[in-house]
Amino acid sequence: GENVEQHPSTLSVQEGDSAVIKCTYSDSASNYFPWYKQELGKRPQLIIDIRSNVGEKKDQRIAVTLNKTAKHFSLHITETQPEDSAVYFCAASRSQFYFGTGTSLTVIP
Amino acid sequence: GAGVSQSPRYKVAKRGQDVALRCDPISGHVSLFWYQQALGQGPEFLTYFQNEAQLDKSGLPSDRFFAERPEGSVSTLKIQRTQQEDSAVYLCASRRRSSGGNQETQYFGPGTRLLVL
Repeated sequence: GENVEQHPSTLSVQEGDSAVIKCTYSDSASNYFPWYKQELGKRPQLIIDIRSNVGEKKDQRIAVTLNKTAKHFSLHITETQPEDSAVYFCAASRSQFYFGTGTSLTVIP
Repeated sequence: GAGVSQSPRYKVAKRGQDVALRCDPISGHVSLFWYQQALGQGPEFLTYFQNEAQLDKSGLPSDRFFAERPEGSVSTLKIQRTQQEDSAVYLCASRRRSSGGNQETQYFGPGTRLLVL
């Protein structure tokens, strides 16, 4: 089956700086890569996604890049704000979804 | 519109007790997923339905876990003879269409937090 690895497990940045989270996957048939934000005690919420026919996607301060050859994809958050503090999960999907282990992001005011 | 709902939100069970967790997906969503999320971990895939058909149950950790979706809408995850290692948050998610070339996101319910004593 699919194996998704995510790094780093924890990340602290100063408010206004950028944050980058990286994931790798093993199944070359995976073709959809969503990113979720999960606040403590809440459900995961989709923040951005990318399909395998696209190399990059941006939505305001959030961007995702995908390198199919290397089987890795990354989340970039620019101009971070304290409310960005949460756990972020990447996932890879062909039919069902396989998640990374999460990155706990702390934005220091 | 209404999102995915799950009940109960919290469940405390004594070891050996059977539990049933319910998921109400978004109306009209074809696909339904169950996940187990341990503290500090990502959601782990348990099983997947397309309408009433259980297409993949490879993630179910043991034969004590059973899921059904008899009418293609509401789903129930049943855990028999609960063990302490079953303590986790059980998340349900639904997706509008079935798997295919054009992937879509899934929408999560709030989860059921199960504590087995």
